[in-house]
Amino acid sequence: NAGVTQTPKFQVLKTGQSMTLQCAQDMNHNSMYWYRQDPGMGLRLIYYSASEGTTDKGEVPNGYNVSRLNKREFSLRLESAAPSQTSVYFCASSDSGAQHFGDGTRLSIL
Amino acid sequence: AQSVTQLGSHVSVSEGALVLLRCNYSSSVPPYLFWYVQYPNQGLQLLLKYTSAATLVKGINGFEAEFKKSETSFHLTKPSAHMSDAAEYFCAVSPFTGGGNKLTFGTGTQLKVEL
Repeated sequence: NAGVTQTPKFQVLKTGQSMTLQCAQDMNHNSMYWYRQDPGMGLRLIYYSASEGTTDKGEVPNGYNVSRLNKREFSLRLESAAPSQTSVYFCASSDSGAQHFGDGTRLSIL
Repeated sequence: AQSVTQLGSHVSVSEGALVLLRCNYSSSVPPYLFWYVQYPNQGLQLLLKYTSAATLVKGINGFEAEFKKSETSFHLTKPSAHMSDAAEYFCAVSPFTGGGNKLTFGTGTQLKVEL
């Protein structure tokens, strides 16, 4: 039972490069989310998708775009990476109640 | 608007001692509250959730939390700490539990368990 799968697990980028983080869930959940985690700041919501075909901004959407490709997949794109986007990115999904998280993508931007 | 405050970014206890991790919330509507645990290099795992059914909520690994509306608190406790409990713990609040429920997280409490 895979749950929420994120790829890649690690990535190093140079400033200005683009990158897409992939997320897939096999729990048939309607809602999916992207968070970033920075030391001392907890998790902050970047974008979310309440259901297939919809996406909405979260707390920190600037510099990111998302695509809800189908019910299973929700990708996060950095068009022009900046050092301030160095972080650990988590994808989550939910149907009702608690969210289920992937193991994260550790992204460093030089 | 909703927010969560976790008092103490680091808590240290002896093995076998009581674990108490504090969480206070602010919410303009009746809140739904969650505790998550994060082990190193892993994602967040749900410990327990409060969805208004009962004020004392029991979770996995012997943890429980009590919702106290008068104190706007949802503190996490465990009677006897184990070395395997060392991890980071996050409290989170949501205005509802349906689809698209946006969680607001606290900044986390790192629990250290000493012999």
